[in-house]
Amino acid sequence: EMQLVESGGGVVQPGGSLRLSCAASGFSFEDFAMHWVRQSPGKGLEWISLITVEDGVAYYADSVKDRFTISRDDNKKFLYLQMNSLTSDDSALYFCAKEFYFRDSTRHALSVWGQGTTVTVSS
Amino acid sequence: DIQLTQSPSSLSASVGDRVTITCRASQNINNHLNWYQQKSGKAPKLLIYGASTLPPWVPSRFTGGGSGTDFTLTISDLQPDDFATYYCQQTYSNPPITLGQGTRLDIK
Repeated sequence: EMQLVESGGGVVQPGGSLRLSCAASGFSFEDFAMHWVRQSPGKGLEWISLITVEDGVAYYADSVKDRFTISRDDNKKFLYLQMNSLTSDDSALYFCAKEFYFRDSTRHALSVWGQGTTVTVSS
Repeated sequence: DIQLTQSPSSLSASVGDRVTITCRASQNINNHLNWYQQKSGKAPKLLIYGASTLPPWVPSRFTGGGSGTDFTLTISDLQPDDFATYYCQQTYSNPPITLGQGTRLDIK
């Protein structure tokens, strides 16, 4: 069974940093791009980042660009999100998600999702 | 950025009804449009990719259509399990990948 499990969320002060992790199992992690998506309380879904396979090219939403860094460790089957300069607007449930398409950088769909980890930015 | 506008924002329907949700893109996205279902407190679930293709885990009462800028998600013979929030997502322009604001489907 394909599974994603996020961890690393918590309460952090404004301006602080946090690193989220996503453990993957049940599929060939190295063959699929991976995404991070967040959802603020009571709000809709917001895609925030994507990392491709092999060369690990990263893409970001403007709202997190230059503050967040996505990375992956194919040997350990982990996806990461380093979050810096956090503000209250970053408070959300953060999901990692697996790309549906096999080794395809031209199309995207998110086929497997974790249950999310909650980040709260508050003083 | 490509904006997606879903309509309606919410609707009420009964078990057995047929409902249609629309998603309009601010520019042509060909068929790079996906639909997701999300139940309260749960992770989203992929319903339709490439505008009209169902993954194997999705029942055939779900239908996706459209191309270019106008897309639809139709649910036939509504079941109790279908009452949820639905989101469209465009992946034509990356970055950013964008999502609609969501459509909440409630039981009448």
